[in-house]
Amino acid sequence: GAGVSQSPRYKVTKRGQDVALRCDPISGHVSLYWYRQALGQGPEFLTYFNYEAQQDKSGLPNDRFSAERPEGSISTLTIQRTEQRDSAMYRCASSLETGVGITEAFFGQGTRLTVV
Amino acid sequence: QKEVEQDPGPLSVPEGAIVSLNCTYSNSAFQYFMWYRQYSRKGPELLMYTYSSGNKEDGRFTAQVDKSSKYISLFIRDSQPSDSATYLCAMIKAAGNKLTFGGGTRVLVKP
Repeated sequence: GAGVSQSPRYKVTKRGQDVALRCDPISGHVSLYWYRQALGQGPEFLTYFNYEAQQDKSGLPNDRFSAERPEGSISTLTIQRTEQRDSAMYRCASSLETGVGITEAFFGQGTRLTVV
Repeated sequence: QKEVEQDPGPLSVPEGAIVSLNCTYSNSAFQYFMWYRQYSRKGPELLMYTYSSGNKEDGRFTAQVDKSSKYISLFIRDSQPSDSATYLCAMIKAAGNKLTFGGGTRVLVKP
């Protein structure tokens, strides 16, 4: 596709349910990043992948959060047993290369998660 | 305390004025410095990046980095209403891929 695609755009879920957020990066992009952005705040790093390998997951808040990118393309961020504090915009980004390539990262439109 | 600090604004200027934005940071390991623009309900888009200290100019935009002071700036000349957005600074350490963002400054350019 032309850009980073995220689905769903909006997700409302009940507290305690599991959710899966999908990211389809720009074709051929090696690196994929997940960020979380609260209203009026800058994006906060969650995790990133080079190809299918998860390189850094230090930003995941707790063990209810996990991410995978099994074939080095599409990635899924899963939140188990959702809590109201998980409500935020979840953004995915991808870049063509690793290392300095992050300077050319392209962000998707995000998934707005609301936990009620 | 956050690693990257940015005044949230809002910063309101008349059309044609110079917009001056800045960020401070605490970790001297940051080597790459970026500015992103984010329109309402959109994802951040990269405006400019610089490596280490110095200036970089791109059209109406000038980015400055002063590593000795741990201070970066973005200047927008001849501002237009279409420049109204939130501007986010972001930084990377030399050995990593993790972008660390400031909180963003909301800018409003009034016609």
